[in-house]
Formats: sequence, structure tokens, C-alpha cells
Amino acid sequence: DVKVTQSSRYLVKRTGEKVFLECVQDMDHENMFWYRQDPGLGLRLIYFSYDVKMKEKGDIPEGYSVSREKKERFSLILESASTNQTSMYLCASSLRGLEAFFGQGTRLTVV
Amino acid sequence: DQQVKQNSPSLSVQEGRISILNCDYTNSMFDYFLWYKKYPAEGPTFLISISSIKDKNEDGRFTVFLNKSAKHLSLHIVPSQPGDSAVYFCAASWRNTDKLIFGTGTRLQVFP
Repeated sequence: DVKVTQSSRYLVKRTGEKVFLECVQDMDHENMFWYRQDPGLGLRLIYFSYDVKMKEKGDIPEGYSVSREKKERFSLILESASTNQTSMYLCASSLRGLEAFFGQGTRLTVV
Repeated sequence: DQQVKQNSPSLSVQEGRISILNCDYTNSMFDYFLWYKKYPAEGPTFLISISSIKDKNEDGRFTVFLNKSAKHLSLHIVPSQPGDSAVYFCAASWRNTDKLIFGTGTRLQVFP
């Protein structure tokens, strides 16, 4: 079974903090994704990575950066957390041309 | 601009009946379409997919229909069961990039 693991289920951070969300997959997938889910807005793509050190901006990259130094790990970085980044963050991975598998999600609250 | 749209935020269906969830897209470059199911506090799970070279794909109780000329796809669940109650997302991608774009979701409630 494919396993995508996000480092935290729940996280509370203060405004202005630098926040790291970590995601690890164990199936040697080339593609990895970070989404956020907000009520009424669905899943919005923040960043997409198709290989180590390769990334593409999604629909809402502002305020975020990513790092993919190893194939199995994809990190999302909030450079300076703000309250409008309070959300459910979802990581996913996929093989080229196939469906994506998701982690369990991280509920981030910025206070 | 929303490239993948699910215009019905919610749907309520009686157990045993058919559930039909709809999805529209605007980008004619999309060539691979997927449906995901999501329970609260969990990540989405993959249900079924369809390539643009087909117009129908079936997997057990789940069937996806694709109408390329109308840029429309639908998910049929027959028969619906209470355990199907969840939020359903459609998604689309370009094979060349694998970037996966999701719709806003439809909350399905199946009542006894």
C-alpha cells in the first residue's frame, strides 16, 4: 500500500513564525503536491514537484515555498505565518500519469 | 479562474437510489479525470478515473461518464449506501505535466 505521511495532524503557530510542514512518501513516486482545503473553495494547489529539486507554482503559491532535496520528502514552508494561512494542508504523491495518493492532512491554526 | 467546477455544493439521496455527481471543466487541454472521496479529518481517497480517449469507465458501484464536447463529467453511484456519505471531488490533469487541479467538492448525504 502507498503511504504518504504528514509529520503533524494538528499544529498551532503564532503570526510571523516560520512554519515547516513535512511530507514523506514510501513508493518512489516522481510527483509530489501540496494543497490546502478551505470550506467552499475545494482543494487548491499550492506547489507541485515533478522531480528532486524541481517545482512548479500552483494556483496559490504566495506566502509559501517548498523544498524537495530527496525524492521521498516534500516540505512546505510558510515564511512568515499569517492568520489567513489557517487551513487544512494536504500532501499527495503520484507516479507519472496516474492517480495521486494523499496523506491524512495537517490542520494548521495560526493565532 | 476556476478550471474545474462542481456547481452543486450538496446532494441528498435515499439509500438504494442512484447518486449523480456532476463536474464541468473549462480547459480543453485536460486529458485525464479523476474522482476522489473525502471523509472529515482524513485525506482524500482515489475512487475512479477516466482518460479522455474513453467516454465511460466502471468500477463496481461507481461509473464515470465523460462528455468531451460539453466538457462535462459525472460520477454515478448505484446503489447508494450510507457509507458513501462524504465530500466528492473531481479533478483533472494534463498528462504532460501531471499537475492535478481539483473542483470545489460536493457533499453527498445518503439517508436510510
